Amino acid sequence: QVQLVESGGGVVQTGRSLRLSCAAPGFTLNNYGMHWVRQAPGKGLEWVAVISYDGNHKYYADSVKGRFTISRDDSTNTLYLQMNSLRPEDTAVYHCARGAAPHWLLIDYWGQGTLVTVSS
Amino acid sequence: DIQMTQSPSTLSASVGDRVTISCRASQSISNWLAWYQQKPGKAPKLLIYQTYTLEGGVPSRFSGSGYGTEFTLTISSLQPDDFATYYCQQYDIFSTFGQGTKVEFK
Repeated sequence: QVQLVESGGGVVQTGRSLRLSCAAPGFTLNNYGMHWVRQAPGKGLEWVAVISYDGNHKYYADSVKGRFTISRDDSTNTLYLQMNSLRPEDTAVYHCARGAAPHWLLIDYWGQGTLVTVSS
Repeated sequence: DIQMTQSPSTLSASVGDRVTISCRASQSISNWLAWYQQKPGKAPKLLIYQTYTLEGGVPSRFSGSGYGTEFTLTISSLQPDDFATYYCQQYDIFSTFGQGTKVEFK
């Protein structure tokens, strides 16, 4: 069974940084593209970033480009999202999600998410 | 960036109704379109990918159609478990979601 477990959310002030983690017991991250998708309270889904299965390609939404960095530690099988220069509009539940094979831009499994609140 | 526009935003329906949700892309995405179902407090669930292919375990009352810029999700006979919010997603160029369609009790 595919499991994705996010952690690292919390309350942070505007302009500060936060790093989210996503553990994937049961499968190897570097066999799949991996995404971060966020959902502001009461709002829809917003794709944030993706890292390819080989780690050579990373893409970001315009809203986070230059501030957020997606990465992966293969030794611990953990996905990360480093978020810098946080803004109130970054407040959301952040979901880690797995890209399907072979179409790694398609998402087939999602974690429950971790809440990030940016206070002004 | 590719924009995805869903309609309607909210849909009121009864059990047994045929329900149709539309999704329009701002440019052609061929057939690289997926549909997700999300219930309150839960993670989204993949229903359909590549426009019309049902994910394993998804009931056959769900179907998808379209190509290029116009797409449709159809629920042939709405069941109590289907009241939820539905999102389309393009995955032709990176990824973009529609704003969602909430299916609620009439």
